[in-house]
Amino acid sequence: KNQVEQSPQSLIILEGKNCTLQCNYTVSPFSNLRWYKQDTGRGPVSLTIMTFSENTKSNGRYTATLDADTKQSSLHITASQLSDSASYICVVSAPGGFKTIFGAGTRLFVKA
Amino acid sequence: DTAVSQTPKYLVTQMGNDKSIKCEQNLGHDTMYWYKQDSKKFLKIMFSYNNKELIINETVPNRFSPKSPDKAHLNLHINSLELGDSAVYFCASSQGNSGGYEQYFGPGTRLTVT
Repeated sequence: KNQVEQSPQSLIILEGKNCTLQCNYTVSPFSNLRWYKQDTGRGPVSLTIMTFSENTKSNGRYTATLDADTKQSSLHITASQLSDSASYICVVSAPGGFKTIFGAGTRLFVKA
Repeated sequence: DTAVSQTPKYLVTQMGNDKSIKCEQNLGHDTMYWYKQDSKKFLKIMFSYNNKELIINETVPNRFSPKSPDKAHLNLHINSLELGDSAVYFCASSQGNSGGYEQYFGPGTRLTVT
């Protein structure tokens, strides 16, 4: 069964600290993996996308890694800001479209 | 400029009623989607349309009927609303229907059924 599991479920960190969110998936075959950020009361917004051959992708203070062999991805946030408080959702797609699986998300709280 | 817009943003209604949620995208995308996000924050795809044609219809009660009058619009009509329909419904669009295309989400419609 195709699944996407994220950990931790929620995380509280102090402003300025770094953190890493995890995503494990069993989707096969694999096409690409995205990380989305969803602010409270808003729709998700794409942060990064990685295909099978990519190991890392950065978007400002966000860096995503992918290990397609172990089917694991991580999202590292550097020097966190209060505005980073949001849910971060890992999304994995199979080739040819149509099969896209969303993780449950990690709820990040950044405190001053 | 709003890329993907939904109306209404909030919808409170009683069980048994029929309601519609409208979605419009001005990105020129070919594919549009409807998602349901429940209280546990899981996003689940309900429907996907490509060039006004239905291409994904997940296991959704037939009380839910999407309608795409043109490529820029995908509306969701719900008949005989039930308590379990309470959720946030997101519309999204993408350039194509492959998983490689980024999906742009609307702001969501919070539906509360009492």
